[in-house]
Amino acid sequence: GEQVEQRPPHLSVREGDSAVITCTYTDPNSYYFFWYKQEPGASLQLLMKVFSSTEINEGQGFTVLLNKKDKRLSLNLTAAHPGDSAAYFCAVSANYGNEKITFGAGTKLTIKP
Amino acid sequence: GGIITQTPKFLIGQEGQKLTLKCQQNFNHDTMYWYRQDSGKGLRLIYYSITENDLQKGDLSEGYDASREKKSSFSLTVTSAQKNEMAVFLCASSIQGREGERLFFGHGTKLSVL
Repeated sequence: GEQVEQRPPHLSVREGDSAVITCTYTDPNSYYFFWYKQEPGASLQLLMKVFSSTEINEGQGFTVLLNKKDKRLSLNLTAAHPGDSAAYFCAVSANYGNEKITFGAGTKLTIKP
Repeated sequence: GGIITQTPKFLIGQEGQKLTLKCQQNFNHDTMYWYRQDSGKGLRLIYYSITENDLQKGDLSEGYDASREKKSSFSLTVTSAQKNEMAVFLCASSIQGREGERLFFGHGTKLSVL
């Protein structure tokens, strides 16, 4: 079955710096990719959903890159601010239905002043 | 907007005890899920349900039972708590469980077994 590896498990950057979290996956049929953000004490919230047809997806203050050839998904935070401190999870789904979503192990991001 | 409510927020049990976790959603979503979140590991699917009275096993179903008596509620039972077990159980829901649909999560139930 699908394997998703997320790196790094912990990441600490200074406010204003960039941060990159990467997930690699194994199933070449994977089509839907998600990034979820979990702030301390809060539930997981969807940050972005991307489709395999789009390689670059931009949000507010971040970019999601998808490299299908290398089976790599990355979340790039530009100019990190304290509100970015959270756990981030990637999730990957092929065309089999939501029960086949595979989550990465998560990255705990800390923004230092 | 809707909300997913999980009860209790914290659950302390004894080894061998049967423990029940509850989840309610008011999104009117068809599909509901139970995930287990362990430190350093991704979310792992325990059970899911695509409609009232439906139950489907996930990868981690052994040692658990689930029940979906109503569309809005989904409960999970730990059939025999394991000593020193510690994990967070997350309930989620989605529209019809179609592929690519986002999940909405509850805040979790943190389980500790003495």
